[in-house]
Amino acid sequence: EDKVVQSPLSLVVHEGDTVTLNCSYEVTNFRSLLWYKQEKKAPTFLFMLTSSGIEKKSGRLSSILDKKELFSILNITATQTGDSAIYLCAVTGLDSWGKFQFGAGTQVVVTP
Amino acid sequence: NAGVTQTPKFQVLKTGQSMTLQCAQDMNHEYMSWYRQDPGMGLRLIHYSVGAGITDQGEVPNGYNVSRSTTEDFPLRLLSAAPSQTSVYFCASSALGNQPQHFGDGTRLSIL
Repeated sequence: EDKVVQSPLSLVVHEGDTVTLNCSYEVTNFRSLLWYKQEKKAPTFLFMLTSSGIEKKSGRLSSILDKKELFSILNITATQTGDSAIYLCAVTGLDSWGKFQFGAGTQVVVTP
Repeated sequence: NAGVTQTPKFQVLKTGQSMTLQCAQDMNHEYMSWYRQDPGMGLRLIHYSVGAGITDQGEVPNGYNVSRSTTEDFPLRLLSAAPSQTSVYFCASSALGNQPQHFGDGTRLSIL
């Protein structure tokens, strides 16, 4: 059965700090790993990673995948209060097409 | 575009009652999913569909029924509501089986 473990479960940082979130996974015939940000309502898509070692970047957020060690990292630099959210990681495999396994999420609180 | 629309936004039920949560998408997506989100547990997959007429069970399907008679609609039925089904329910859709999902705003359901 597919499994996703995120760490830490929660953290509190000050504005301007850098945050590193971890997502480790077990999935048969890995196909892709996705990161989402969830504020008050619906999760919104951040990144999709399919290849190892290639960094995806959007502004202050970046993410990288290590397919050998089966984990991904999401980095947020120069954090702002608007980065406060739950960050969710999800994986899918070739054998589970259309079916995503989510982790428990990391709650990030950025204080002024 | 409306994207993924869920109704109702809030609902309170008594134990034993049945109801249907509605989900509609206007993006012509083949893949649709229902999740429930409980504190500290991320998103757990209830049922998913890879196209009209095709549905399958996810991680926590017991007590829920789905059908997919059209590409646009994917209703979730609670057969006999139980307090353990108190949760926030999200519907999501994607164009392909490993592509980012678009989420509805969720339905907050309380079972008394």
